[in-house]
Amino acid sequence: AQKITQTQPGMFVQEKEAVTLDCTYDTSDQSYGLFWYKQPSSGEMIFLIYQGSYDEQNATEGRYSLNFQKARKSANLVISASQLGDSAMYFCAMRGRVTGTGGTSYGKLTFGQGTILTVHP
Amino acid sequence: KAGVTQTPRYLIKTRGQQVTLSCSPISGHRSVSWYQQTPGQGLQFLFEYFSETQRNKGNFPGRFSGRQFSNSRSEMNVSTLELGDSALYLCASSLESNTEAFFGQGTRLTVV
Repeated sequence: AQKITQTQPGMFVQEKEAVTLDCTYDTSDQSYGLFWYKQPSSGEMIFLIYQGSYDEQNATEGRYSLNFQKARKSANLVISASQLGDSAMYFCAMRGRVTGTGGTSYGKLTFGQGTILTVHP
Repeated sequence: KAGVTQTPRYLIKTRGQQVTLSCSPISGHRSVSWYQQTPGQGLQFLFEYFSETQRNKGNFPGRFSGRQFSNSRSEMNVSTLELGDSALYLCASSLESNTEAFFGQGTRLTVV
């Protein structure tokens, strides 16, 4: 079974500063994927960044980077140069191997409880 | 390139009724999975479909069902609605089941 833990219910950051959102995970699988999503108040889940468990380099996408520390089982999201539009709920998620009635797949995402980020002007 | 489309966006139903939600994945994507989001339980996996086959099902009662068509569009059905079924239902689309997952805007269901 997979488990995702986000220990920060809420975070505040000043506009233009960097912020780190914490995420730790637990799995016995060797092959898995880690995701970060942003969910504004509208409800849509916006894909931000992905890190595969075998990826040597930390993933980066524009102002987003994922600080992947495999031995510590952590996958923290770093947002650089925060903008007011970054205020939203952020979810860390993991995709791992699941065996169900239809066979083995990696189609299930397990989510953390989320962190509400507020960017102050 | 069109994203994931979920319809309808909002729905109000009465207890005991049934409801069908629709999800059109990104063109070429074969994997569709569904999630229920509530303030109390967070995001919970409902089921995953790949090439018209249900691969996995979450821990939900049999009132929750789904299917996927040959064009990869998926529907989920909830019968005998309960107040606790009020939630945001999100659909995710992936090229394969182990690649990046992109979500639709969700369907917000209110049961009264």
